[in-house]
Amino acid sequence: SYELTQPPSVSVSPGQTANITCSGGKLGDKYVCWYQQKAGQSPTLVIYHNGNRPSGIPERFSGSNSGNTATLTISETQPMDEADYFCQTWDSSIAVFGGGTKVTVL
Amino acid sequence: QLQLQESGPGLVKSSETLSLTCTVSGGSITSYTNYWGWFRQPPGKGLEWIGSVHYGGSTYYNPSLTSRVIISVDTSKNQFSLRLSSVTAADAAVYYCARLVVDGFALSTWVVYYNMDVWGKGTTVTVSS
Repeated sequence: SYELTQPPSVSVSPGQTANITCSGGKLGDKYVCWYQQKAGQSPTLVIYHNGNRPSGIPERFSGSNSGNTATLTISETQPMDEADYFCQTWDSSIAVFGGGTKVTVL
Repeated sequence: QLQLQESGPGLVKSSETLSLTCTVSGGSITSYTNYWGWFRQPPGKGLEWIGSVHYGGSTYYNPSLTSRVIISVDTSKNQFSLRLSSVTAADAAVYYCARLVVDGFALSTWVVYYNMDVWGKGTTVTVSS
């Protein structure tokens, strides 16, 4: 079965850039979405189709996908961005999630 | 705007069947291009896709759960439902429903990609022995 691998945690200072990676075999041939989940809340879509932002998502969120790695970038990270982030794709009509990355804004 | 609300028993006995319903409001479940899905998240763990249903009845299930899962849709009530049989402690989780919208199509693999753009607030299910 297809697997997506994320680092368990990423720490970033306010105003700095956070890069969250998601790795999987030939992931660049697939479309990747990213979800933000704040404590006690349901997930929110922040990036779809590798690098597109839904309406209402700040411009500081961006995404890319090439080779075996997709990356979610949070520029000028704010304390409100502290959350768990999950990457997700589809493989043979099966939804696959990464294990999630906890972003801590120190 | 579109809202989804999960409902159902918060406590299920081991070996019995978990039944949840997702009510869609602010929009129709009969949108041709959308699927509707169930997901779960055990305490402190990541997200898991359970399965998806189209209003026309087409379903896709997680291979790890397919022998125990049925997802159905009731267009008259604008709802879709989850039944998970023979539950164990491993099925204890927050269960979410969500709308799946088309994200893209890969010609090389004939795979349709969806993203989950609207989620319910989730409902906690505990399994008792």
